[in-house]
Amino acid sequence: EADIYQTPRYLVIGTGKKITLECSQTMGHDKMYWYQQDPGMELHLIHYSYGVNSTEKGDLSSESTVSRIRTEHFPLTLESARPSHTSQYLCASSESLVNTEAFFGQGTRLTVV
Amino acid sequence: GQNIDQPTEMTATEGAIVQINCTYQTSGFNGLFWYQQHAGEAPTFLSYNVLDGLEEKGRFSSFLSRSKGYSYLLLKELQMKDSASYLCASLNDYKLSFGAGTTVTVRA
Repeated sequence: EADIYQTPRYLVIGTGKKITLECSQTMGHDKMYWYQQDPGMELHLIHYSYGVNSTEKGDLSSESTVSRIRTEHFPLTLESARPSHTSQYLCASSESLVNTEAFFGQGTRLTVV
Repeated sequence: GQNIDQPTEMTATEGAIVQINCTYQTSGFNGLFWYQQHAGEAPTFLSYNVLDGLEEKGRFSSFLSRSKGYSYLLLKELQMKDSASYLCASLNDYKLSFGAGTTVTVRA
């Protein structure tokens, strides 16, 4: 059983609000990822991290930012939410750079009204 | 993205075999993963290939050809619960990117 948690599971907020989506893992994994996925659509990599103090932008341009101050924690922040940010956000982690699977959290479904 | 291509949909009968093909970019290649995702759920890991050849794990097998930038996932003895989206994911320069997924529908 993977130990990676995302909170909140569901969030409805108004336009212009600042929000932080939490992701924590208790497996000591160095590699962490954030993906964005619309219903029935593909996963788009928006941010990833190799370890503490490492953050990289993914393939999909995103107005969100991330931080990695602790190994187990990889929060994603939207400074000013817009309706176009409505989507599902999935966090994942893996033990090493190459030959290990990525474990996914249950996701946060964000709706901006 | 990493230009990962896989078919959009496939339909098969219970008990049959289905093969899902995937092509990916070979530059900076570190490995190829297959994931299963049921509607509304997070993806779950199925298989990993980094060397050429076939990896078998129960009813599921995955094949890789590094020189061709090609992989396939083989699902045998299909069951109704196998109806899901199957995601091909390529690790390139240590960055994991996903294809759009292949929706497999298993019919009785």
